[in-house]
Amino acid sequence: NAGVTQTPKFQVLKTGQSMTLQCAQDMNHEYMSWYRQDPGMGLRLIHYSVGAGITDQGEVPNGYNVSRSTTEDFPLRLLSAAPSQTSVYFCASSLSPGTPNEAFFGQGTRLTVV
Amino acid sequence: SQQGEEDPQALSIQEGENATMNCSYKTSINNLQWYRQNSGRGLVHLILIRSNEREKHSGRLRVTLDTSKKSSSLLITASRAADTASYFCATEEYSGGGADGLTFGKGTHLIIQP
Repeated sequence: NAGVTQTPKFQVLKTGQSMTLQCAQDMNHEYMSWYRQDPGMGLRLIHYSVGAGITDQGEVPNGYNVSRSTTEDFPLRLLSAAPSQTSVYFCASSLSPGTPNEAFFGQGTRLTVV
Repeated sequence: SQQGEEDPQALSIQEGENATMNCSYKTSINNLQWYRQNSGRGLVHLILIRSNEREKHSGRLRVTLDTSKKSSSLLITASRAADTASYFCATEEYSGGGADGLTFGKGTHLIIQP
């Protein structure tokens, strides 16, 4: 059971480039989310999805797009990377929205924008 | 914006001692969770306490929740070197019957000295 898998683990981008961070879970979880972690800031929610075809914005959505075409996958797209998007990105999933349950996190993608 | 605020930001104790960290939050919540993050890794769920619960135990972990003071504490008893990590509280609040994701504090960095 792989849990939540994120790829790549590390990435360096030039300002203005685009890329997609991949996230996949094999636990049949309805709820998936993306967070970014910056030094001294904890984790902040970027976007989340309560099921296939449904997405919504979190606290810091600007500069990021998401889609949820399947239950398993929840990619995060950076359309035009900026240095302010240098961060560690975490994908998480949980069983279903609206009920208290633990979130499972991927190992993170460390992104540097130069 | 940050919901939870952990205190202290950093804590260094001797192996075998107990470690206590606190979390304060701002709004009404449905549940509060504690996570551990080892350096360079993803977050791992430790314990969830619902808003109608006051105390919960899991192994060497004890969590309390005081909704009147909007605060929670995590106690780790008989600490071990492997407990060295950052600890985050996360709150979950529901709006419109859905789930808006977890809101994290900035974390407490715990160091266990051998």
